[in-house]
Amino acid sequence: GAVVSQHPSWVICKSGTSVKIECRSLDFQATTMFWYRQFPKQSLMLMATSNEGSKATYEQGVEKDKFLINHASLTLSTLTVTSAHPEDSSFYICSANGLAGANTDTQYFGPGTRLTVL
Amino acid sequence: EDKVVQSPLSLVVHEGDTVTLNCSYEVTNFRSLLWYKQEKKAPTFLFMLTSSGIEKKSGRLSSILDKKELFSILNITATQTGDSAVYLCAVGGTSYGKLTFGQGTILTVHP
Repeated sequence: GAVVSQHPSWVICKSGTSVKIECRSLDFQATTMFWYRQFPKQSLMLMATSNEGSKATYEQGVEKDKFLINHASLTLSTLTVTSAHPEDSSFYICSANGLAGANTDTQYFGPGTRLTVL
Repeated sequence: EDKVVQSPLSLVVHEGDTVTLNCSYEVTNFRSLLWYKQEKKAPTFLFMLTSSGIEKKSGRLSSILDKKELFSILNITATQTGDSAVYLCAVGGTSYGKLTFGQGTILTVHP
């Protein structure tokens, strides 16, 4: 149990375009999904917390209009990077909690999406 | 603001060595401490600790929490090259369900 998938695993796009990343919990219903960003040799930086059917809660300094999060169901959350620029190039990772029987703090991570903006 | 500090930041050992990774934290309303292993992609869950003094063990890996001194250690015995990874410590505290991550310890195990 506790499998989280992300799609795509990598994407290259031109500056100014928008990119959508999907995060799915495959074998459990996720109470909450989280979106992180990770720069090379650095730790995970939380961008936003997302609950199904409600607006995402963004961390300080994260532009909500730039990083649109939609949490359509208990198994799917999407992150759209709008009007992407080279500085948005990064590794984006989602996680989910809510596995039955697991502590609420235990997050299970997707494999990540490598975004490169040219 | 919750804070998690890991040490050392990097460690190079040879196969068969035993390593100890440290994680200290300052968190309001501590709930749990988690260890993850990150290889090329996303972190994989190792342990979750909520109580002091109770060792969690999985094969050659073990971990323990000291809530009085606000730290945890992750031990790996008889290291193998496959243990090479970044080990992340995270704490659940102020905001329910959210985790604060440390910087990670980069472990390199040479044959």
